[in-house]
Amino acid sequence: QQQVKQSPQSLIVQKGGISIINCAYENTAFDYFPWYQQFPGKGPALLIAIRPDVSEKKEGRFTISFNKSAKQFSLHIMDSQPGDSATYFCAASDTGNTGKLIFGQGTTLQVKP
Amino acid sequence: GAVVSQHPSRVICKSGTSVKIECRSLDFQATTMFWYRQFPKQSLMLMATSNEGSKATYEQGVEKDKFLINHASLTLSTLTVTSAHPEDSSFYICSARDRGATNEKLFFGSGTQLSVL
Repeated sequence: QQQVKQSPQSLIVQKGGISIINCAYENTAFDYFPWYQQFPGKGPALLIAIRPDVSEKKEGRFTISFNKSAKQFSLHIMDSQPGDSATYFCAASDTGNTGKLIFGQGTTLQVKP
Repeated sequence: GAVVSQHPSRVICKSGTSVKIECRSLDFQATTMFWYRQFPKQSLMLMATSNEGSKATYEQGVEKDKFLINHASLTLSTLTVTSAHPEDSSFYICSARDRGATNEKLFFGSGTQLSVL
């Protein structure tokens, strides 16, 4: 019930391509869905987040698509760059309750030049 | 943006010793801080929720006597790994929520790599 399932585990994309990472959740009480980027040996950094009252949010090259009925959300990275190579985590939180952030399993993205 | 400072960034200790990790919110007050543990190439696993002035809430399977958490002020939480053993070697990350913010953002520290010999 508390799990957030993320796929794929790893992803290789050519420079300029679109990277797509998917997540699914079960707990309908989740109401906040952020995406984090993590480089080796560093803490995760917030990229973009969405709440279930909208179906899409775009910030620069990063877009979240949210499907409330399917309980799925995805991250799209447009015009992927080698500097985007990192591990990406989706997460979900029930902000009205404990506020704990539950992370997906992570996706290692490699953008080839 | 809000900054969370975590110290030390890396620590190597002998088996049986205790290690303290500090997590500070530098420019905001954090009533709630979270401690995570991350093994290589794995996700962040929540260990405990730390609330200022009260006892921490531990996730199932996390030994509270081994991982002591203190949240003595609105800007500081500490995690002490007591009697550390090699299996405790991991990347520990704290996060904090801004007390004064209306959004849900969590700000993460840069992590502490613990290696127990």
